[in-house]
Amino acid sequence: GNSVTQMEGPVTLSEEAFLTINCTYTATGYPSLFWYVQYPGEGLQLLLKATKADDKGSNKGFEATYRKETTSFHLEKGSVQVSDSAVYFCALTGSYQLTFGKGTKLSVIP
Amino acid sequence: NAGVTQTPKFQVLKTGQSMTLQCAQDMNHEYMSWYRQDPGMGLRLIHYSVGAGITDQGEVPNGYNVSRSTTEDFPLRLLSAAPSQTSVYFCASSWKSGRGGTGELFFGEGSRLTVL
Repeated sequence: GNSVTQMEGPVTLSEEAFLTINCTYTATGYPSLFWYVQYPGEGLQLLLKATKADDKGSNKGFEATYRKETTSFHLEKGSVQVSDSAVYFCALTGSYQLTFGKGTKLSVIP
Repeated sequence: NAGVTQTPKFQVLKTGQSMTLQCAQDMNHEYMSWYRQDPGMGLRLIHYSVGAGITDQGEVPNGYNVSRSTTEDFPLRLLSAAPSQTSVYFCASSWKSGRGGTGELFFGEGSRLTVL
């Protein structure tokens, strides 16, 4: 079956530091890949997505590239802010069952 | 702009009690689903529906029932609550894509359930 493995946190960074959260996946076919973000006390919301190999998703300074050869979709941001503190989930589609990673909690300190 | 609305936001139950978590969406999405979120476990799919009258099981369906009588509503029923069902529950909806899956999910704000 499909699976998603993402680096476990928590991750603590200083403001303006570079962020990478690793995500690798196992899937049949050609899934779409997503990063969702969950701010404290809220539901998940889509951060970015990529629907085919070599696509780059981007939003709010975050980027991730769909790498089929390494089955990866790593999330990056060049300069994090305190407001980026949240839990980040990597996910992929598989028929009608979206598969999520376990989440990575990011804390950004001033 | 309501999106996906879940009620109640918080609920405390005793073991053996029953209850229904409500979910409604106003985006005319065909696909709706229920997830539970537990520490260290990420989100796990309980049940989903691809249209009115159609439901199917996800990864962790035991102890939960669903029905889909309208496009808008997708309630989740706990018939006899157990402490293991203490969790945060999220409802999500989406359109069906042409590739046999869905687009990105739109989530409700969650329902925190405690079973004593």
